[in-house]
Amino acid sequence: DIQMTQSPSSLSASVGDRVTITCRASHTISNFLNWYQQKPGQAPRVLIYGAAVLQRGVPPRFSGSGSGTDFTLTISSLQPEDFATYYCQQSYSTPRTFGQGTKLEI
Amino acid sequence: QVTLTESGPALVKPSQTLTLTCTFTGFSLTTSGMRVSWIRQPPGKALEWLARIDWDGAEYYSTSPRRTLTISNDTSKNQVVLTMTKVDPADTATYYCAREYYDILAGQIYYYYYMDVWGKGIPVTVSS
Repeated sequence: DIQMTQSPSSLSASVGDRVTITCRASHTISNFLNWYQQKPGQAPRVLIYGAAVLQRGVPPRFSGSGSGTDFTLTISSLQPEDFATYYCQQSYSTPRTFGQGTKLEI
Repeated sequence: QVTLTESGPALVKPSQTLTLTCTFTGFSLTTSGMRVSWIRQPPGKALEWLARIDWDGAEYYSTSPRRTLTISNDTSKNQVVLTMTKVDPADTATYYCAREYYDILAGQIYYYYYMDVWGKGIPVTVSS
């Protein structure tokens, strides 16, 4: 199985900050990498797929990059509604695997 | 509009079998490329992918830990069923089903799959 490791596990930031979350795969996964946002009590929501493609309806302050084993999710200017937990997930192979999550706190 | 809804028991006793149903609308699992996965999330913990069934009936399962999972679909009812035998308290979690959809990026030949629509989830407690 491909292991996904996110860092940091938690992050404190303020409205307006630029934030970057990283995700590392244990094997190369090309750009088969997805990012999800989850708010308390809600199901996850896809933000980015193919490492860098913004899902329809997701604000352009979210961006993704990377290829191979190292990936980043960047939020250019944090908004109050962005405080949530973020997960990366590889779609290169089955079984699918998620990172352990990054909790973004005020 | 694509929707998925999980249903099943809220409480199961240890060693029993858990059966969860995902009822979906807005797409057909017989359409080439369509997939439905089950994912769970123990309280306060990360997401864990469990199983998937594809449009062609192919089944895939988590390998860690090895457990007695079975996924099946009923195309006439637009339902995907997950069964988990011999549950224990560590299986206490919110269980989600999600559609795996795909895109083909410009200049690429691969299918980029991602879980684009999720159900609200069903919390399940395993306790005597």
